[in-house]
Amino acid sequence: QVHLVQSGAEVKKPGASVKVSCKASGDRFTKYVIHWVRQAPGQRLEWMGWINADYGTTEYSQKVQDRVNFIRDTSANTAYMELSSLKSEDTAVYYCAIGTWYGSAFDIWGQGTLVIVSS
Amino acid sequence: DIQMTQSPSSLSASVGDRVTITCRSSQSIISYLNWYQQKPGKAPNLLIYAASSLHPGVPSRFSGSGSGTDFTLTISSLQPEDFATYYCQQSYNTPHTFGQGTKVEI
Repeated sequence: QVHLVQSGAEVKKPGASVKVSCKASGDRFTKYVIHWVRQAPGQRLEWMGWINADYGTTEYSQKVQDRVNFIRDTSANTAYMELSSLKSEDTAVYYCAIGTWYGSAFDIWGQGTLVIVSS
Repeated sequence: DIQMTQSPSSLSASVGDRVTITCRSSQSIISYLNWYQQKPGKAPNLLIYAASSLHPGVPSRFSGSGSGTDFTLTISSLQPEDFATYYCQQSYNTPHTFGQGTKVEI
């Protein structure tokens, strides 16, 4: 079964950029559409978008589409989320997630990456 | 965007209680409704997909029902490990929005 491992916590200043990785193991990486979901402290989960690991096609939520970029490296079985022009409101735990069972019902999650944006 | 609203936002219950959580969508999502359990500091775990299908490995005390705009998650007999926050999510269209969560406390 596929397993997702994310990169470690980051502390960034406002206006900076962050890149979070999500490495897949246990199954063929290119089978999956990888979604990114974030959760600000004490807040609900927020879906950010997806990347098709095979074709590299993407879809972004309107809220972040001007600042976010999803890429993947098929040779490394890794997906990346880049978020630029960071604001304090971007402080959150960022998750990558996959639906292996039924569409966009996410049954496999990374462990999460805390990104803190603070001056 | 489809708005997802859960009720209640929190509840207190005891081991053995029957617990019901409601999720309402701002428009029909047919049965494209999923439920997750999240414990502090952990990623969410999928419990129910397609409104009423139990994800493999999830205890049978969890069940889901509903269609259209109104959905319910029921825990038939609350166990100590069930104290957590529960989220609904619509996968009818993007953005795949989540409810605000229901915290189940002792």
